[in-house]
Amino acid sequence: GENVEQHPSTLSVQEGDSAVIKCTYSDSASNYFPWYKQELGKRPQLIIDIRSNVGEKKDQRIAVTLNKTAKHFSLHITETQPEDSAVYFCAARSYSTLTFGKGTMLLVSP
Amino acid sequence: GAVVSQHPSWVICKSGTSVKIECRSLDFQATTMFWYRQFPKQSLMLMATSNEGSKATYEQGVEKDKFLINHASLTLSTLTVTSAHPEDSSFYICSARDWRDLNEQFFGPGTRLTVL
Repeated sequence: GENVEQHPSTLSVQEGDSAVIKCTYSDSASNYFPWYKQELGKRPQLIIDIRSNVGEKKDQRIAVTLNKTAKHFSLHITETQPEDSAVYFCAARSYSTLTFGKGTMLLVSP
Repeated sequence: GAVVSQHPSWVICKSGTSVKIECRSLDFQATTMFWYRQFPKQSLMLMATSNEGSKATYEQGVEKDKFLINHASLTLSTLTVTSAHPEDSSFYICSARDWRDLNEQFFGPGTRLTVL
């Protein structure tokens, strides 16, 4: 089955700095890569996703890049704000199953 | 966007009792629903995948006789934790996939189960 590795497990940045979270996957059949933000005790919320036929996607301060050859994808958050503090999960979908990374706790200090 | 609800949002029960959790897609039809379990400070672990009108597919290590899943309609799936024990205490989250877009999954708000 699919195996998704996510790094780092925790990330602390100053407000205004950029944050980068990286994930790797194992199954070359995976073709959909969403990123979720989860606040404590709440549901994961989709913040951005990318399909395998695209190398990069941007939505305001958030961008995701995908390297299919190397089987890795990354989340980039620019101009971070305190409200970006949360746990972020990457995921990879192979056939019908979504496999999640272990999560990154992002802390943005004012 | 698509909305998924879960009920109850939290439940406390005694060891040995059974608990039923409902997951509903409110504004779309979900041919497939997923049940996840999340322990504190950990990731979401898929427990089972349910397709409307058929038996659920359980992930390795998940007891199907303990975690009963029913997906009787295109908008409702239920998870029943039978003979619950303290180690079953966790955050249970369902998600549903809109038949019109098989990529995206929409998550419910989760149910916090505490077994005393």
